[in-house]
Amino acid sequence: AQKVTQAQTEISVVEKEDVTLDCVYETRDTTYYLFWYKQPPSGELVFLIRRNSFDEQNEISGRYSWNFQKSTSSFNFTITASQVVDSAVYFCALSEGFKAAGNKLTFGGGTRVLVKP
Amino acid sequence: GEEVAQTPKHLVRGEGQKAKLYCAPIKGHSYVFWYQQVLKNEFKFLISFQNENVFDETGMPKERFSAKCLPNSPCSLEIQATKLEDSAVYFCASSLPGNQPQHFGDGTRLSIL
Repeated sequence: AQKVTQAQTEISVVEKEDVTLDCVYETRDTTYYLFWYKQPPSGELVFLIRRNSFDEQNEISGRYSWNFQKSTSSFNFTITASQVVDSAVYFCALSEGFKAAGNKLTFGGGTRVLVKP
Repeated sequence: GEEVAQTPKHLVRGEGQKAKLYCAPIKGHSYVFWYQQVLKNEFKFLISFQNENVFDETGMPKERFSAKCLPNSPCSLEIQATKLEDSAVYFCASSLPGNQPQHFGDGTRLSIL
């Protein structure tokens, strides 16, 4: 069975500090997909990134970067120079199964990030 | 449309009443998903559809929950004989095939009194 663990329940930082969110996953499939979503206080879920299990390249998008390491089953997310608008709950998620289909997401418990001015 | 549209935004029901939630997926997306978010953080998968066919219903509490996605109509999630524990935010999402990103609606907050 698939499982996603986000050990940090809440992180508080001061603006301009960097913050790294941990995500560890479990799956028996060799083909799987990892995602990060942001849920701001307004409640909607915003897609941030999708990674497949065959692509271990790290990715950077503006102040966001992701580190995927299959050896440790981790897909960590770093926000550089955090801003107040980054305050939100961040979810890591995993999907597995027939790759041509649309498979359910298994979410981690989320990490609440609070950025103080 | 370009967004997943969920209605209503809020729904209040007395315990034992029926609740029905609606979701219009993004045009062209063949997969629709329903998730339940309780206690603000925990997500539970309920059911998914490939077009109008049930694709995965492993998360569905079958006694009181049912869902449909009919052609040319919004998808729906119905809860019969609601219980206090059904209070949650219900999210609908849609996606293209190939484990493409799921795009979520704004959710329906269901409150059972």
